[in-house]
Amino acid sequence: KQEVTQIPAALSVPEGENLVLNCSFTDSAIYNLQWFRQDPGKGLTSLLLIQSSQREQTSGRLNASLDKSSGRSTLYIAASQPGDSATYLCAVIGSQGNLIFGKGTKLSVKP
Amino acid sequence: KAGVTQTPRYLIKTRGQQVTLSCSPISGHRSVSWYQQTPGQGLQFLFEYFSETQRNKGNFPGRFSGRQFSNSRSEMNVSTLELGDSALYLCASSLQGNEQFFGPGTRLTVL
Repeated sequence: KQEVTQIPAALSVPEGENLVLNCSFTDSAIYNLQWFRQDPGKGLTSLLLIQSSQREQTSGRLNASLDKSSGRSTLYIAASQPGDSATYLCAVIGSQGNLIFGKGTKLSVKP
Repeated sequence: KAGVTQTPRYLIKTRGQQVTLSCSPISGHRSVSWYQQTPGQGLQFLFEYFSETQRNKGNFPGRFSGRQFSNSRSEMNVSTLELGDSALYLCASSLQGNEQFFGPGTRLTVL
């Protein structure tokens, strides 16, 4: 059974810092991995999708990497801003086609 | 292009009642998935519909059901509501079950 773990559960950083969020999964047989952002009480916003054949994806200040063999993905946020404060969720898509989520990392960026 | 829409946004019901939630996917998307989000369990997969057929189902009791119409709009129904059904219900759409885009969710409170 696929399990997704995100560490740390919460993170507080000063504005301007570069930071890394971690995601690990137990079964390397995934089709792709998707990172989301969720603001309090809101739905999920897709940030990046990494296909199983890819190693990384970039969008603006965000860079996500994928290492299937070790069951890990990282989300790198450069020059963090207070507006980046949110919960970041990692999810993998397995053979069944549905997303399996981690519990998320709650990020707080202090001005 | 309009995003995923969900109605209603908020709902209050009492135990034993039933409820129907609606989801309109992004135009052209034929896959619709439903997820339940609670503070304790996080995000859990309910079911996925593709071209009016249930393609995948999560581990929820039979009180949770859904359907998809020919225009790809989807509804989910929960019968005999229990207190534990209080949650944020999220709908996601995708072209073929790949990158998924989420709606704002329906907040269900069961009293």
